[in-house]
Amino acid sequence: GEDVEQSLFLSVREGDSSVINCTYTDSSSTYLYWYKQEPGAGLQLLTYIFSNMDMKQDQRLTVLLNKKDKHLSLRIADTQTGDSAIYFCAENPGGYNKLIFGAGTRLAVHP
Amino acid sequence: GAGVSQTPSNKVTEKGKYVELRCDPISGHTALYWYRQSLGQGPEFLIYFQGTGAADDSGLPNDRFFAVRPEGSVSTLKIQRTERGDSAVYLCASSPGLAGTTDTQYFGPGTRLTVL
Repeated sequence: GEDVEQSLFLSVREGDSSVINCTYTDSSSTYLYWYKQEPGAGLQLLTYIFSNMDMKQDQRLTVLLNKKDKHLSLRIADTQTGDSAIYFCAENPGGYNKLIFGAGTRLAVHP
Repeated sequence: GAGVSQTPSNKVTEKGKYVELRCDPISGHTALYWYRQSLGQGPEFLIYFQGTGAADDSGLPNDRFFAVRPEGSVSTLKIQRTERGDSAVYLCASSPGLAGTTDTQYFGPGTRLTVL
């Protein structure tokens, strides 16, 4: 079945690294995505990784993919208060267009 | 337009009423998606259009929900005989519709529907 799971909450100190984890179930997903949602705003695509890659780095963001364990992580280096938001992991089962999202991880950054 | 727009931003209705939610995709995007996000949850897929036709409507919860995209641009999500359980934020997204690429979906701000 299609199911994406994430831990619900993460609290970090400003300047530290944040690691948000996600597990997915559909091995046929061709891309895996990370979206960010700030209060009252729509979803913003942060980054994505193709399923045959292990790692992707984009400025402060690093995505790691363990396809064997169906585990995806997002690392944010030097976390800032502006990074406080809900982060959603998503997969596209079967390589089709619809996205299946996790419930989101709320990241709180404190001084 | 610069991004996906949705109207209204908020809609309050009474149980049993009919509502229409509108989505204006990014100009030139051939693919359009509707999702529903309940409180504390991630978005849940409803329907996907490629051009004017619904390519995948497997996420529509029942026959009270219907969506159209008659000219391949603006889309309307229609909900008949609304129920309190329909209360959620309805998100629209569009993508270029290019095969063989990631075809990134860009989301609008959503319409918050409250059924009293």
